[in-house]
Amino acid sequence: GAGVSQSPSNKVTEKGKDVELRCDPISGHTALYWYRQSLGQGLEFLIYFQGNSAPDKSGLPSDRFSAERTGGSVSTLTIQRTQQEDSAVYLCASSLEKVSGRASYEQYFGPGTRLTVT
Amino acid sequence: AQKVTQAQTEISVVEKEDVTLDCVYETRDTTYYLFWYKQPPSGELVFLIRRNSFDEQNEISGRYSWNFQKSTSSFNFTITASQVVDSAVYFCALGLGYQTGANNLFFGTGTRLTVIP
Repeated sequence: GAGVSQSPSNKVTEKGKDVELRCDPISGHTALYWYRQSLGQGLEFLIYFQGNSAPDKSGLPSDRFSAERTGGSVSTLTIQRTQQEDSAVYLCASSLEKVSGRASYEQYFGPGTRLTVT
Repeated sequence: AQKVTQAQTEISVVEKEDVTLDCVYETRDTTYYLFWYKQPPSGELVFLIRRNSFDEQNEISGRYSWNFQKSTSSFNFTITASQVVDSAVYFCALGLGYQTGANNLFFGTGTRLTVIP
């Protein structure tokens, strides 16, 4: 079946502009995550949506970052007034929330959006 | 605090050699999950394995094997008879929240493996 898709694959923007990154999770996956991967670094957790619960925003680096998930499916990550340090690959992942009564944590990742702020 | 350490930044091996990628984790949770992901040059992270903290049985899948030792908080990954297609960045990750439901993963900084033909 289809995996996690993200768009755009690449985005170049000028400092100070707003950007929107889109994620389409795997159909049926109720949990959705955003991570950021800076050059040569590991993945940094940003935000997590689980079903109808309030999102876990604990990883968002500043109030310029926000995300929403409409209809429990597609998610949009918005970065306002972009800064050069926002340049990174933004990865989206989705997972099933529960499998056979146990938490299931296999997260399936999309190809990412490479954001370059000039 | 949670932390995953992959001390090996880069490793190069000649094809058909065995290679072990180290992963050490820190957590105060008694129940947790450990993962390995592969990130090939194409960039997309590929899930390799999940291990529960209450299951210390080692696992083998083809040329891949994993050694989980709670006593040393390590979850090492061995590739036997390496191939060029194994060249990638490998990430170890820690997942918490079995009870709390929190699902985000804590990633190490990755080990770049280059297999030389």
